[in-house]
Amino acid sequence: GESVGLHLPTLSVQEGDNSIINCAYSNSASDYFIWYKQESGKGPQFIIDIRSNMDKRQGQRVTVLLNKTVKHLSLQIAATQPGDSAVYFCAAGFQKLVFGTGTRLLVSP
Amino acid sequence: GAVVSQHPSRVICKSGTSVKIECRSLDFQATTMFWYRQFPKQSLMLMATSNEGSKATYEQGVEKDKFLINHASLTLSTLTVTSAHPEDSSFYICSATSPGQGGSGEQYFGPGTRLTVT
Repeated sequence: GESVGLHLPTLSVQEGDNSIINCAYSNSASDYFIWYKQESGKGPQFIIDIRSNMDKRQGQRVTVLLNKTVKHLSLQIAATQPGDSAVYFCAAGFQKLVFGTGTRLLVSP
Repeated sequence: GAVVSQHPSRVICKSGTSVKIECRSLDFQATTMFWYRQFPKQSLMLMATSNEGSKATYEQGVEKDKFLINHASLTLSTLTVTSAHPEDSSFYICSATSPGQGGSGEQYFGPGTRLTVT
């Protein structure tokens, strides 16, 4: 089955810096990948997704990179803001999603 | 668009009682809904996959007789925790996918239900 892990439990950045959160997955059959943000006591909020036929996708201030060779996924947040502080989960799957353990992003002013 | 609601947002119940949690897709028809459980400071763990009009598929280790799932319509799925015990206390989250995506597509998440069993 799939297993997903995030590289760092916590990432601290200064406001305005770029943030990079990394994730590894195990199942080469996974064809869909998502990044979610979760604030305390709330459900996950969709950030960006990517399918296995792509290696990069950009949104507003966010970019997801997919390296299928090494089964690695990253989320880049440009000009990080205090409102970006949350726990970030990556999820990977085929038919159903497996979530990673989450990285807490702390943004200091 | 793509809003999913859950009710209730918080519930406290006594041991031995049953609790029903509702998950609704408000502006789209969800052929597939998922139920997750999340313990404090931990990730989401998939409990079961629910398709409208058919029996739910439970993940390994999840007791189907304890966590009853009903997906009676394209906009509503319910999770009933039967004979609840304190160890069932958790954050329960549902998600839904719109038609055509099945499991390999964006899941829209509800806000979650905090269950506390005393």
